[in-house]
Amino acid sequence: SQELEQSPQSLIVQEGKNLTINCTSSKTLYGLYWYKQKYGEGLIFLMMLQKGGEEKSHEKITAKLDEKKQQSSLHITASQPSHAGIYLCGADTGNQFYFGTGTSLTVIP
Amino acid sequence: GAVVSQHPSWVICKSGTSVKIECRSLDFQATTMFWYRQFPKQSLMLMATSNEGSKATYEQGVEKDKFLINHASLTLSTLTVTSAHPEDSSFYICSARGLRDRISPYEQYFGPGTRLTVT
Repeated sequence: SQELEQSPQSLIVQEGKNLTINCTSSKTLYGLYWYKQKYGEGLIFLMMLQKGGEEKSHEKITAKLDEKKQQSSLHITASQPSHAGIYLCGADTGNQFYFGTGTSLTVIP
Repeated sequence: GAVVSQHPSWVICKSGTSVKIECRSLDFQATTMFWYRQFPKQSLMLMATSNEGSKATYEQGVEKDKFLINHASLTLSTLTVTSAHPEDSSFYICSARGLRDRISPYEQYFGPGTRLTVT
């Protein structure tokens, strides 16, 4: 099975601080996706990266995919309480779609 | 964007009974559907991959006789939890991938999930 590791597992930050979540694959990916979720609720699609070296931004969230397409980072600038939740990276291997281990983010006002 | 629905959104059943969860692609043909399971404070675990008209491929450790998956049409896949027990209580999410004008065949579209509670 595809292994997709996320770090850190959980993160507690003060409002206004920046943070980074990492996602590492053991294999080269066709595509890397980032989602936000609260347990028991659906997934909120954030961004999809397909090309090595690609970087995308939406509001205060930036995601990057490395040249080898095995590692991605999600960076949140000036975090807000609304950013709290579980962040999941997802990897498209061509035949299956797996999720990373997840990062729980808490933002303290 | 493409829409995927799940039904029911929440179900409570007694131990020993079977429960069926439906996953539908509403405006596109889903050639492949995936079923995931999620426990509290954990990530989503892929249970199985199903291609329309063929048997599902189950991930290691997932009992195929307990979690029956049927993908009989290009718009519907079902997950049946047979002889459910309290440890099967979880959040189940499906996703679909398919072909439709103006959407990528490689993108995933997720259902809103089904919360199963077995008493």
